[in-house]
Amino acid sequence: QKEVEQNSGPLSVPEGAIASLNCTYSDRVSQSFFWYRQYSGKSPELIMSIYSNGDKEDGRFTAQLNKASQYVSLLIRDSQPSDSATYLCAVKGWGNFNKFYFGSGTKLNVKP
Amino acid sequence: DTAVSQTPKYLVTQMGNDKSIKCEQNLGHDTMYWYKQDSKKFLKIMFSYNNKELIINETVPNRFSPKSPDKAHLNLHINSLELGDSAVYFCASSQGVRGTDTQYFGPGTRLTVL
Repeated sequence: QKEVEQNSGPLSVPEGAIASLNCTYSDRVSQSFFWYRQYSGKSPELIMSIYSNGDKEDGRFTAQLNKASQYVSLLIRDSQPSDSATYLCAVKGWGNFNKFYFGSGTKLNVKP
Repeated sequence: DTAVSQTPKYLVTQMGNDKSIKCEQNLGHDTMYWYKQDSKKFLKIMFSYNNKELIINETVPNRFSPKSPDKAHLNLHINSLELGDSAVYFCASSQGVRGTDTQYFGPGTRLTVL
């Protein structure tokens, strides 16, 4: 069983719409959750982190965490073509240093 | 100013060869990592060093040997390369080993084994 699961997509949304990306994880004691964006041929870059249940907003991005359901999501409001990329969910458990488990990513296409 | 740099960016080599990838960070971080990203975009941690000490050593063939001469450098040497080693290898760094510490990734090294 994979530690972190994401729908590979592609997820296609029109420009200006809300894109919703989902991630589930298997380790119940996971404490830290991250969303990375990766453009084709580039390295992952952190866009959001969340550590407690609820919503966390940063500009057009909102991360949502539900530890009881072992579920974390990323909403992108007013999607732009420049948001087209692969979004990687990463989860870190309690202790064990900074061993991050990444999902395989969801490819997002925002159509003009 | 490049925060995390890797060399080379591309590496094409024959099966059985030995090759090295170098990583340097100028962020003053004390923890560095090697990740492997396969063709399906799955990013998997291989090794991590904190203050030159190996702290994460995943189930990786012993043909892979990391070396950290100092906190700012982490190199990866691969012996007897195999076709399955073809992937993009990312170096990353963070300050500290807590889960709240952001990891910054290098540009990646695309390794192709023929």
